[in-house]
Amino acid sequence: NAGVTQTPKFRILKIGQSMTLQCAQDMNHNYMYWYRQDPGMGLKLIYYSVGAGITDKGEVPNGYNVSRSTTEDFPLRLELAAPSQTSVYFCASSYSINQPQHFGDGTRLSIL
Amino acid sequence: GNSVTQMEGPVTLSEEAFLTINCTYTATGYPSLFWYVQYPGEGLQLLLKATKADDKGSNKGFEATYRKETTSFHLEKGSVQVSDSAVYFCAQPLNSGGSNYKLTFGKGTLLTVNP
Repeated sequence: NAGVTQTPKFRILKIGQSMTLQCAQDMNHNYMYWYRQDPGMGLKLIYYSVGAGITDKGEVPNGYNVSRSTTEDFPLRLELAAPSQTSVYFCASSYSINQPQHFGDGTRLSIL
Repeated sequence: GNSVTQMEGPVTLSEEAFLTINCTYTATGYPSLFWYVQYPGEGLQLLLKATKADDKGSNKGFEATYRKETTSFHLEKGSVQVSDSAVYFCAQPLNSGGSNYKLTFGKGTLLTVNP
């Protein structure tokens, strides 16, 4: 049972480059989320989705974009990487807001 | 306030000591409360949950009771082990406008257990 799968696990980018962080879940969850976690800090919600075709901004959406064309996939796009986006990114999914979220193992992203 | 507030730590204990990590929640939030644990280098995992007042969630020796009178959901364990060293997050769904709710996390408490 794979759960929530994030790829890649690690990545180093140069300033101004773009990339897509992949997230897939096999639990048929409607809700999916992207968080960032800076060193020694808690989680900040970037974007979330309540179902295919529906996305909404979280606390810190600037510099990111998402899409949700299928129930399973929720990729996060960085268009112009900046050093401030150096962080660990976690994708999560849940059946509903009242049910626990299942987290992926994270993508560790450094922008130099 | 409209937030989840937890003891920030860090907390350092010796093995077999008693653990309490305080968490207070928002009374007007969605009535489910969660504790998540994050082991080093990993994502968050659900530790336990409670869905209504007076519910007690428990798992791996940890317990937390949903107390409406004090709006608290404190995490406790009677005898911690070195393997419990991790960051612990309290969480509650909070209204983000209209009928939308978002799971809101506390800032996390780093626990270090020494042998």
